[in-house]
Amino acid sequence: SQQGEEDPQALSIQEGENATMNCSYKTSINNLQWYRQNSGRGLVHLILIRSNEREKHSGRLRVTLDTSKKSSSLLITASRAADTASYFCATGNNQGGKLIFGQGTELSVKP
Amino acid sequence: DSGVTQTPKHLITATGQRVTLRCSPRSGDLSVYWYQQSLDQGLQFLIQYYNGEERAKGNILERFSAQQFPDLHSELNLSSLELGDSALYFCASGFSTYNEQFFGPGTRLTVL
Repeated sequence: SQQGEEDPQALSIQEGENATMNCSYKTSINNLQWYRQNSGRGLVHLILIRSNEREKHSGRLRVTLDTSKKSSSLLITASRAADTASYFCATGNNQGGKLIFGQGTELSVKP
Repeated sequence: DSGVTQTPKHLITATGQRVTLRCSPRSGDLSVYWYQQSLDQGLQFLIQYYNGEERAKGNILERFSAQQFPDLHSELNLSSLELGDSALYFCASGFSTYNEQFFGPGTRLTVL
């Protein structure tokens, strides 16, 4: 069963614009991780945010977490064509290392 | 490159057969995780090992089994294969249970 739901399912923007993807989940979490996947290839780890954190930055990435709303967002600033990929959020709880993935957001950045 | 290696990259086999997928974690990582990605089910957690011991179990079929060896590499064994087992199988590793999980490039299994 999927814990996370990403919104939107697909997003198309121009190079240089910002891209925002949202993730909602259902149960309490220990951490939330964002991944990028290029078509049919491996998942690249982007960022981990813990349940007691509200915001994290990494380069052009900004992740927020609102545990009261059970939601997270990933912002990619000044997007590039190379950012074109599927983006997944994954939640981990306090009962082991299992990550539960959402269905992903397909981002297309047009040059 | 995450530092996690998986072999083989591609595997084509027939229904009823048995295959073994291999994973080497990043240097220093003690946890190994297996996930299955298919079009209809998405990414599903199968099983976790930590320093040789099973730590968590997910939607892993009884026909599937895994183990982690003393050198920390792991193998996922899939038997009595069915068409529906065709998927991408990922291994991930992490230093400990609640840390980042770094994924390997995956093994694409096709069951004909």
